[in-house]
Amino acid sequence: EPEVTQTPSHQVTQMGQEVILRCVPISNHLYFYWYRQILGQKVEFLVSFYNNEISEKSEIFDDQFSVERPDGSNFTLKIRSTKLEDSAMYFCASSEIRGENTQYFGPGTRLTVL
Amino acid sequence: GDSVTQMEGPVTLSEEAFLTINCTYTATGYPSLFWYVQYPGEGLQLLLKATKADDKGSNKGFEATYRKETTSFHLEKGSVQVSDSAVYFCALSTSMNSGYSTLTFGKGTMLLVSP
Repeated sequence: EPEVTQTPSHQVTQMGQEVILRCVPISNHLYFYWYRQILGQKVEFLVSFYNNEISEKSEIFDDQFSVERPDGSNFTLKIRSTKLEDSAMYFCASSEIRGENTQYFGPGTRLTVL
Repeated sequence: GDSVTQMEGPVTLSEEAFLTINCTYTATGYPSLFWYVQYPGEGLQLLLKATKADDKGSNKGFEATYRKETTSFHLEKGSVQVSDSAVYFCALSTSMNSGYSTLTFGKGTMLLVSP
């Protein structure tokens, strides 16, 4: 069964450093998403992406964040200058049909900022 | 704004016990409702969904009914197994102005089932 994959599974970085989290969505899906979950808190929507541009973004998704689909398979989340409060589990998701919104999630990347 | 509230965990049960995990929501319009499950070390997997009032979603012995009058979507299973131990997330889909949808999640409820 096709699945969303994410790398790395765990990323440790120093405050102020740039990180890139990588995702490979399900191959025939057209809509891509990033969510995050700070330890002990809710899973929160960050951004959605369709047709090579951002469709929606939350107030969390400030200028420090960017997303990109650099090729036909990868979908990346970049944090330009990490802060301690960026430590969280980051989930990538993809869906096939607009509106039907069954989103399929990857296993997540745990980001630890020291 | 839209929100989802789940019962606090962990919920600890013995095998074959009856499970209920409560979920209530606040939303404008008519959201779709979902339960996702996260097994240890894995990602979020869709467990079941319901797209309109009085719909019942079901999968793997779990079920939940979309109750508009009580704004609830409680998850139930008649007889849990050790392998059901996981974190369960209730979520709703929210249509944005563009017609695009995003998911709003509850905090998650950990279920621990002992033999």
